[in-house]
Amino acid sequence: GQQLNQSPQSMFIQEGEDVSMNCTSSSIFNTWLWYKQDPGEGPVLLIALYKAGELTSNGRLTAQFGITRKDSFLNISASIPSDVGIYFCAGRLNSGGSNYKLTFGKGTLLTVNP
Amino acid sequence: DTAVSQTPKYLVTQMGNDKSIKCEQNLGHDTMYWYKQDSKKFLKIMFSYNNKELIINETVPNRFSPKSPDKAHLNLHINSLELGDSAVYFCASSQATARTFGSGTRLTVV
Repeated sequence: GQQLNQSPQSMFIQEGEDVSMNCTSSSIFNTWLWYKQDPGEGPVLLIALYKAGELTSNGRLTAQFGITRKDSFLNISASIPSDVGIYFCAGRLNSGGSNYKLTFGKGTLLTVNP
Repeated sequence: DTAVSQTPKYLVTQMGNDKSIKCEQNLGHDTMYWYKQDSKKFLKIMFSYNNKELIINETVPNRFSPKSPDKAHLNLHINSLELGDSAVYFCASSQATARTFGSGTRLTVV
């Protein structure tokens, strides 16, 4: 089956620093999604990417769909304490409809020191 | 209004018991899911229903039985609970692309 390698596994940074995390896949994906999970909550969608090379921003967050369609990265600029949480990438193989499998990475735990 | 709501939030029970977790979505989505998140935070799909029909059934013990009375509800019943069933269970729904997750049910089997 498909495997997603997400790195780094965890990060400890100072408030104000920029952060970068990425996911690589053994398969070609048609969609990449980035989620954030706060403690005690479910994952919340941050950014969705649909085309190879696509670069999309959501406030201080920027994500890119790799040209090879086997990777994606998420950048967070000027981190703040509320950025703390677990960030998940997820990739989808089939396009169209809602009957598809979404493969999740193992997550990146981000800690921001004020 | 909560988009995907699941109850209870916490569930502590003894080994061997049978328990249910309920999920409702008010987004009008056609597809609903159950995920299991283990202690290492890995999210694993368990089941997927589309318009009340089972679409995805991953390798899950048959002690787990989902039930979808209508497309807005997907409940999870677990028989003969085991210690290894302790985890956070997330309900989710989708229409076209991304899943919208509930806030999770933390199940602890003692």
